[in-house]
Amino acid sequence: NAGVMQNPRHLVRRRGQEARLRCSPMKGHSHVYWYRQLPEEGLKFMVYLQKENIIDESGMPKERFSAEFPKEGPSILRIQQVVRGDSAAYFCASSPPDDRGNEKLFFGSGTQLSVL
Amino acid sequence: AQTVTQSQPEMSVQEAETVTLSCTYDTSESDYYLFWYKQPPSRQMILVIRQEAYKQQNATENRFSVNFQKAAKSFSLKISDSQLGDAAMYFCAYRRNTNAGKSTFGDGTTLTVKP
Repeated sequence: NAGVMQNPRHLVRRRGQEARLRCSPMKGHSHVYWYRQLPEEGLKFMVYLQKENIIDESGMPKERFSAEFPKEGPSILRIQQVVRGDSAAYFCASSPPDDRGNEKLFFGSGTQLSVL
Repeated sequence: AQTVTQSQPEMSVQEAETVTLSCTYDTSESDYYLFWYKQPPSRQMILVIRQEAYKQQNATENRFSVNFQKAAKSFSLKISDSQLGDAAMYFCAYRRNTNAGKSTFGDGTTLTVKP
């Protein structure tokens, strides 16, 4: 049973370009969470999705950031017109459908985004 | 809003010795979960230990144990018989019972293990 898969592991973009980060949850998991980790800081919650639904996006910047989790395929975190301040490690986590908030999250290894 | 504070940016311990990492949090909730995660240089987030707030008994996982003081809102991690493989960044995290996977993390403590 493969774990949470994120790709790419490293992504380099120039200012103004778009970044697409992919996350495939563990098999059988239908809940996906995206977190961002700035240097020397802890993870900050961004968004919580279930299949085809955004449940909680309270941590998402209002502009340029969007996330989706389609019925088929991986979850995508999309950052348009990237700026240097977007440089960070982006983590995806998943949990099973019967998660009542007391199950542990399974994290991917993250995507390190570097904006030049 | 909930906050999690780790007041020790860096800690070091001699191999085979014991070290305690501190964590305090702020919440008005009574039902929640607390976690310690380990992040080695590979960047993978690994759950070390979990504590349910309604349980008075401190959680333990092999060499890892916590000191959970609910009234003081303190949740420290004790690592006994430290090993070189324990060297990593350690994050304390809080999650409300109704918040699914939405957790609040501290800024981390870097643990160095000296041989």
